[in-house]
Amino acid sequence: GENVEQHPSTLSVQEGDSAVIKCTYSDSASNYFPWYKQELGKRPQLIIDIRSNVGEKKDQRIAVTLNKTAKHFSLHITETQPEDSAVYFCAATPNSGYSTLTFGKGTMLLVSP
Amino acid sequence: DTEVTQTPKHLVMGMTNKKSLKCEQHMGHRAMYWYKQKAKKPPELMFVYSYEKLSINESVPSRFSPECPNSSLLNLHLHALQPEDSALYLCASSQGPLAGGPVNEQFFGPGTRLTVL
Repeated sequence: GENVEQHPSTLSVQEGDSAVIKCTYSDSASNYFPWYKQELGKRPQLIIDIRSNVGEKKDQRIAVTLNKTAKHFSLHITETQPEDSAVYFCAATPNSGYSTLTFGKGTMLLVSP
Repeated sequence: DTEVTQTPKHLVMGMTNKKSLKCEQHMGHRAMYWYKQKAKKPPELMFVYSYEKLSINESVPSRFSPECPNSSLLNLHLHALQPEDSALYLCASSQGPLAGGPVNEQFFGPGTRLTVL
């Protein structure tokens, strides 16, 4: 089955800095890669996703890049703000008809004012 | 309505109790999921329902029994649980599998925080 590795496990940045979280996956059949943000005590919320036919996708301060050959994808957050502080999970799934997401272990991002 | 709702928000139960968790969505989604999330860990998939039929059971113990009465509702019946089953139980939904179509994003409910004494 799929295995997703995520690094780093914790990331501390100053407000205004950029943050990068990296994930690798093992199943070459995976072709959908969402990122979820989970604040303490809240539900995971989809913040951005990318499909394997695209190399990069951007939404305001958030961007995701995908390298299918190397089987890795990354989340980039620019101009970080304290409200970006949360746990971020990457995930991967093959296009089997169900979104059987395999999650990375998560990255706790702390943005200090 | 663009939300997945779950009840109750919190549940405390003894090991001999029987209780049920409920999940509801009115987005017309035809795939629904149960996840278990322990503290500081990612969600772990338990069950997948597609068009009201159980499609995936990730080797979950029989003390957890899912039910999908209709396309909007998903239940998780609990019986004879163990303290290690204490966790946040998340429900999610997605548009569901389409023949040859792309995988669609999952939307999560707020979860039920379960404590087993």
